[in-house]
Amino acid sequence: QKEVEQDPGPLSVPEGAIVSLNCTYSNSAFQYFMWYRQYSRKGPELLMYTYSSGNKEDGRFTAQVDKSSKYISLFIRDSQPSDSATYLCAMSSISGGYNKLIFGAGTRLAVHP
Amino acid sequence: NAGVMQNPRHLVRRRGQEARLRCSPMKGHSHVYWYRQLPEEGLKFMVYLQKENIIDESGMPKERFSAEFPKEGPSILRIQQVVRGDSAAYFCASSPARGAYEQYFGPGTRLTVT
Repeated sequence: QKEVEQDPGPLSVPEGAIVSLNCTYSNSAFQYFMWYRQYSRKGPELLMYTYSSGNKEDGRFTAQVDKSSKYISLFIRDSQPSDSATYLCAMSSISGGYNKLIFGAGTRLAVHP
Repeated sequence: NAGVMQNPRHLVRRRGQEARLRCSPMKGHSHVYWYRQLPEEGLKFMVYLQKENIIDESGMPKERFSAEFPKEGPSILRIQQVVRGDSAAYFCASSPARGAYEQYFGPGTRLTVT
């Protein structure tokens, strides 16, 4: 079993839709949860960061962490064609005092006009 | 403020040759992580380095792979005697401090082994 599971999609939605992306994980020591966006042939770009459980909102993006269920989500409101990319969840436990990220496989999202 | 730079962006090597991948972190950052991304897979941690020190190389294959981050110059990931299975995108990320959550990724080097 992988430490982090993420549905690879692809997910295709119309412009303006609400998008829900999810990851589950097995390691209860994870405390730091991140979402990265990766455009084709580019490096990942940090979108959202959450420490421990709870919600965090930034513009059209909301990240949720439920540590009791070992489940994290990213919601995108009013999705735009420019949101079309692969979304990677990542998490870490800062074991050893540094941030070794464990990534999900990524979900490909296509937002069509 | 320049971001993380990686070169070359694309590298083609024949089986048995050596590949050298370079990573220049963001200005002021002295912590570098290397990750490998195989087709249709997420990124896998390889190694974490601070200037002149390898802190964690648990994700790096024991043979043929090595990494360094000298006092001066870029971090280098070196793959000796490449095989087809080494074909992947290799990303480095720089971080401002040891425990910082922020990792800023470079554009990656796409290695193709023929």
